[in-house]
Amino acid sequence: SYVLTQPPSVSVAPGKTAIITCEQINVGSRTVHWYQQRPGQAPVEVIYDNTDRPSGIPERFSGSKSGNTATLTISRVEAGDEADYYCQVWDTLFDLRLFGGGTRLTVL
Amino acid sequence: QVHLVESGGGVVQPGTSLTLSCAASGITFGIYSMHWVRQAPGKGLEWVAFISRDGVKNSYGDSVSGRFTISRDNSRNTLYLQMSGLSADDTAVYYCATGREGGSLEFWGQGTLVTFSS
Repeated sequence: SYVLTQPPSVSVAPGKTAIITCEQINVGSRTVHWYQQRPGQAPVEVIYDNTDRPSGIPERFSGSKSGNTATLTISRVEAGDEADYYCQVWDTLFDLRLFGGGTRLTVL
Repeated sequence: QVHLVESGGGVVQPGTSLTLSCAASGITFGIYSMHWVRQAPGKGLEWVAFISRDGVKNSYGDSVSGRFTISRDNSRNTLYLQMSGLSADDTAVYYCATGREGGSLEFWGQGTLVTFSS
């Protein structure tokens, strides 16, 4: 089965850089999208199509992809960035959308 | 400004049926594909279903296929999710979201909660 693997947690001090990875297993590389979910709130798209940033998302958020691993990078981390982050792909073969298990970002 | 407002959640009995709605405003609803995504308490996001902009094409996650039906009424700017054969495993907040061409989910509603009565 298709699996997206994320680290359960990442911790970073304010002003530093947070790196969250998403590894695709058991299938060829797919385009990756990223979402931020603050506690008690709905998810928000922060990166789509591997690297594109939606309108209104700060430039501090960036995405990249190399082989089967995608990376969400948050520069100059702020307290407000503390949230769960999810990666997602579209398995076009079976027309399924799949989410990773999520990574909790803690700002120290 | 885009608004997606889900409704229809509540407390249900095992084996019963429920229909969720998602009312859209601030967008030209008919040009967007749509999705349902759910989140069980304390758990991660789980994609539930997709429907194309014209309602002709749909797809479902493995855990709901055969039990849930996604539909839309573009004249009413509304998305639906008919859920049958419900069990405690379906307890979750259900979100609707617009879809981008590349497969991402662009705009999200605030969700509606479906819970079970024991």
